[in-house]
Amino acid sequence: QVHLVQSGAEVKRPGASVKVSCKASGYTFNKYYIHWVRQAPRQGLEWMGVINPTGGKTTYAQKFQGRVTMTRDTSTSTVYMELSSLRSGDTAVYYCARDPVGGGTNFWFDSWGQGTLVTVSS
Amino acid sequence: QSALTQPASVSGSLGQSITISCTGTSSDVGSYNLVSWYQQHPGKAPKVIIYEGSKRPSGVSNRFSGSKSGNTASLTISGLQAEDEADYYCCSYVGSNIFHVIFGGGTNLTVL
Repeated sequence: QVHLVQSGAEVKRPGASVKVSCKASGYTFNKYYIHWVRQAPRQGLEWMGVINPTGGKTTYAQKFQGRVTMTRDTSTSTVYMELSSLRSGDTAVYYCARDPVGGGTNFWFDSWGQGTLVTVSS
Repeated sequence: QSALTQPASVSGSLGQSITISCTGTSSDVGSYNLVSWYQQHPGKAPKVIIYEGSKRPSGVSNRFSGSKSGNTASLTISGLQAEDEADYYCCSYVGSNIFHVIFGGGTNLTVL
């Protein structure tokens, strides 16, 4: 059974960075892309980018380019999303989500982490 | 890139059917059969109910169906049940020179 378990809630000051982890289990980690999606309070879903665990190639949404970095640690089956230069508008729940197409992506997400609330406040 | 357009809210009575529309452009919904739909209950992570336009993942009720016409995708829920009350989001791949995913603004479904 696929499980994605994310790190706990964070409170950050404006200008700081946050790094959220997503530990995968129940499947072959290297085979499936992981996407990151965020949701601001009472708002909709917003795609941030994707990482291919094989080789670590990333693609980021234009909105976040220069501020987001996605990495992976194959030894622990964990993916990380780091967002820098935080501002109040980055307050949101951040989700990791698995793409079920092995070795590629059809841009849909079959399993989601539980979400990590990141609060940016002075 | 603007979000896909969904109605903010829809409602239906128990047992009835409702349809939620998701309007994009020829760069996203209109060009690719890569629309997915997600159901989200309050405080929970989204759950996929339709992928690649009209396919249902294993375990999802056949009361949920998806379709597309031109630049508009649709989600139909038949035989409404109380547990269907949730937020629904469409999602599409955006192609051309952009490798990108875009969501709709979400639709809140109320079951009367």
